[in-house]
Amino acid sequence: GQQVMQIPQYQHVQEGEDFTTYCNSSTTLSNIQWYKQRPGGHPVFLIQLVKSGEVKKQKRLTFQFGEAKKNSSLHITATQTTDVGTYFCAGDSAGTASKLTFGTGTRLQVTL
Amino acid sequence: GAVVSQHPSRVICKSGTSVKIECRSLDFQATTMFWYRQFPKQSLMLMATSNEGSKATYEQGVEKDKFLINHASLTLSTLTVTSAHPEDSSFYICSAPGGDEQYFGPGTRLTVT
Repeated sequence: GQQVMQIPQYQHVQEGEDFTTYCNSSTTLSNIQWYKQRPGGHPVFLIQLVKSGEVKKQKRLTFQFGEAKKNSSLHITATQTTDVGTYFCAGDSAGTASKLTFGTGTRLQVTL
Repeated sequence: GAVVSQHPSRVICKSGTSVKIECRSLDFQATTMFWYRQFPKQSLMLMATSNEGSKATYEQGVEKDKFLINHASLTLSTLTVTSAHPEDSSFYICSAPGGDEQYFGPGTRLTVT
């Protein structure tokens, strides 16, 4: 079945440093979504990427979808303590816009 | 954005008993809802797709007779964990699609003693 892997599993940064998580799917995706889950909370939607090579920005967050639509990345510039949480990519290969396979997640810890 | 609620937020039950978890879409209708399970420090694993008015679709390896799903209305899906065992202890989260995104419920933490 479809597998979606993320690296790194965990990253600890000092506030102000940059952070990147990489997402790789074993199959071509019709779209990819990113979610953030705070400790003890539930996933919250961040963004969806649909087009090959697409790049989207949300303030300090930059999301990229690979040309082959099998990988994606999330980059955070100048991290803040509020960025703490686990970031998941989630792929939709069937184009159903609903049934998602979640990546393994990257847990980000930010300290002062 | 749209709101999905879950009840209860936490439940502790004894081994062998059954537990029902409710998932409601509060301000929109959802013909489809999804049920996930998340073990500590792990990712969300899709268990099943709940379809209003028809049978749920279960992912490979998920026992349909153990995890009973009922989608009785356009705003309510229920997951019943039957004959719960300690290994069923987990965080159960439902979601409903809305436009480009999934709206997740706050989750139910189940502990089976």
